[in-house]
Amino acid sequence: ELKVEQNPLFLSMQEGKNYTIYCNYSTTSDRLYWYRQDPGKSLESLFVLLSNGAVKQEGRLMASLDTKARLSTLHITAAVHDLSATYFCAVTFIQGAQKLVFGQGTRLTINP
Amino acid sequence: ETGVTQTPRHLVMGMTNKKSLKCEQHLGHNAMYWYKQSAKKPLELMFVYSLEERVENNSVPSRFSPECPNSSHLFLHLHTLQPEDSALYLCASSQEDSTARYNYGYTFGSGTRLTVV
Repeated sequence: ELKVEQNPLFLSMQEGKNYTIYCNYSTTSDRLYWYRQDPGKSLESLFVLLSNGAVKQEGRLMASLDTKARLSTLHITAAVHDLSATYFCAVTFIQGAQKLVFGQGTRLTINP
Repeated sequence: ETGVTQTPRHLVMGMTNKKSLKCEQHLGHNAMYWYKQSAKKPLELMFVYSLEERVENNSVPSRFSPECPNSSHLFLHLHTLQPEDSALYLCASSQEDSTARYNYGYTFGSGTRLTVV
């Protein structure tokens, strides 16, 4: 069964702190995506990770991929309120057609 | 216009109504998707169209009927829906290679917020 699991599902943190969101997936995949979703809005692409050991950084967000462990992390450094959103990881699988399968999402709230 | 456009943004319909959701992509992509986002579930893939052919129907009830008349347009026809079908419906598009095994990334529309009363 194709499964993508994130944890934690809810995260409340203070500005200036660091934290990590984890994404595990059940089957071999060739790429992993991180998306951000603000309330009532669509999904905004943050990162695409293509290979084992890939690391990408944009501002206070850094994503990494370990394909052997089937694990990706999204690390938040010195959080600011503007980063409050729901973050999704998603993995492509080929089962018949190519599919993009999402994790449950992590709702991140950053308090001043 | 650029990107992926969905209309309407909001829709309220009764259980006996028939309505359609529309998605249009201006990116030249060759694959389009419908996803359902409910409050308490992960994003669920409903349908996949690749090169205008439906290649995936993810056990979706027949009260949802997709249509892809060309590579730029995707519809989701709705009839006799249930209250539990209330959700955000997201359309996405992507570019696949000729084998449909390699994908260059997905772009999502803003979604249609559907409420069934």
